[in-house]
Amino acid sequence: QKEVEQDPGPLSVPEGAIVSLNCTYSNSAFQYFMWYRQYSRKGPELLMYTYSSGNKEDGRFTAQVDKSSKYISLFIRDSQPSDSATYLCAIGSSTLTFGKGTMLLVSP
Amino acid sequence: DAMVIQNPRYQVTQFGKPVTLSCSQTLNHNVMYWYQQKSSQAPKLLFHYYDKDFNNEADTPDNFQSRRPNTSFCFLDIRSPGLGDAAMYLCATSRDGQRDQPQHFGDGTRLSIL
Repeated sequence: QKEVEQDPGPLSVPEGAIVSLNCTYSNSAFQYFMWYRQYSRKGPELLMYTYSSGNKEDGRFTAQVDKSSKYISLFIRDSQPSDSATYLCAIGSSTLTFGKGTMLLVSP
Repeated sequence: DAMVIQNPRYQVTQFGKPVTLSCSQTLNHNVMYWYQQKSSQAPKLLFHYYDKDFNNEADTPDNFQSRRPNTSFCFLDIRSPGLGDAAMYLCATSRDGQRDQPQHFGDGTRLSIL
């Protein structure tokens, strides 16, 4: 079993939709949780990070962590075409382990 | 703006010809990381420096080396690139490597091997 699992997509939604992106992980020692956005031919850009179970909100983005289920989610409200990118979850203790990323396509 | 800068953005080299990729940062962060990312794959950590202390991942090939001459700069040296080394190489920094410090990435160098 891989340490961090993420559906590669692509996930296609219309503009304005609510998007749910998810990752599961296997190592209960993981302590902190991040979401990165990566546009084509660019480096990952940090969106959200947290180290506790529960929800954290920042504008249109909400990160959710359920440590008991080893499951994390990123919700995007009112999705925009500019949100089209690959979203990587990153989970870790001393170093980060990345998921492969989910490609999101938001159509106008 | 404080940032992580990687040069060049695109690098082409010949099979077996040594190549060096560079990374600089204006964030004054203690930790610098090098990742390899292949198409549709997760970034894979190669090694990192905590200040001057070098930390190599167990599965990083000996072909890959790194240098950090000062806080601001870090280099990735590939001594004899093979076709399998074609990838995006990402540099990242974090303030002090503690668990609640996120990593900040450059835009990467895309390496092609002829």
